[in-house]
Amino acid sequence: SQQGEEDPQALSIQEGENATMNCSYKTSINNLQWYRQNSGRGLVHLILIRSNEREKHSGRLRVTLDTSKKSSSLLITASRAADTASYFCATGPGGYQKVTFGTGTKLQVIP
Amino acid sequence: GAGVSQSPRYKVAKRGQDVALRCDPISGHVSLFWYQQALGQGPEFLTYFQNEAQLDKSGLPSDRFFAERPEGSVSTLKIQRTQQEDSAVYLCASSLDGKGSTGELFFGEGSRLTVL
Repeated sequence: SQQGEEDPQALSIQEGENATMNCSYKTSINNLQWYRQNSGRGLVHLILIRSNEREKHSGRLRVTLDTSKKSSSLLITASRAADTASYFCATGPGGYQKVTFGTGTKLQVIP
Repeated sequence: GAGVSQSPRYKVAKRGQDVALRCDPISGHVSLFWYQQALGQGPEFLTYFQNEAQLDKSGLPSDRFFAERPEGSVSTLKIQRTQQEDSAVYLCASSLDGKGSTGELFFGEGSRLTVL
């Protein structure tokens, strides 16, 4: 079963705009990761935020984490057509490394 | 190797056939995961290895699914008597971390299984 749910399921924006995706999860976590998947390809790690962090930046990516609400958001600033992909959040509860994925947000960036 | 390698990339099987999917993780990576991804869905956890030990197989959908990693490196996911509902992309991922907090997962390109 999926641990997390992303919202929205699909998002279409113009190049240059910002894209925000949200993730809600169910159980306590040790960290939360965001991954990207281009059509027909494997997943690529984008960023990891630990449960004791509230915000993290990496290039055009900004991730927030609110453990009290069991939610996270991924912001992609100044989007590019090459950002078109599906984005997944993934949570790890700690202990050993079982990582479970959400349902994904399909992002389309129109040139 | 440079990344996680999976083979075959595409497999078509007739219902009832057995299939074997191979995963070659990044050298030295302790943890290895198998996921099943249906079209338009997120990856669903199948099983997890730490070196050669299979620590969690709670996601395997039935006893027709079997995974092994005998020498703590290459892993094989075997599906016996395939059914149409087994059609999916099977993703393998490896991670350097052995214990403690979760680290980044490195994914292969996946093996797309189609059962006719």
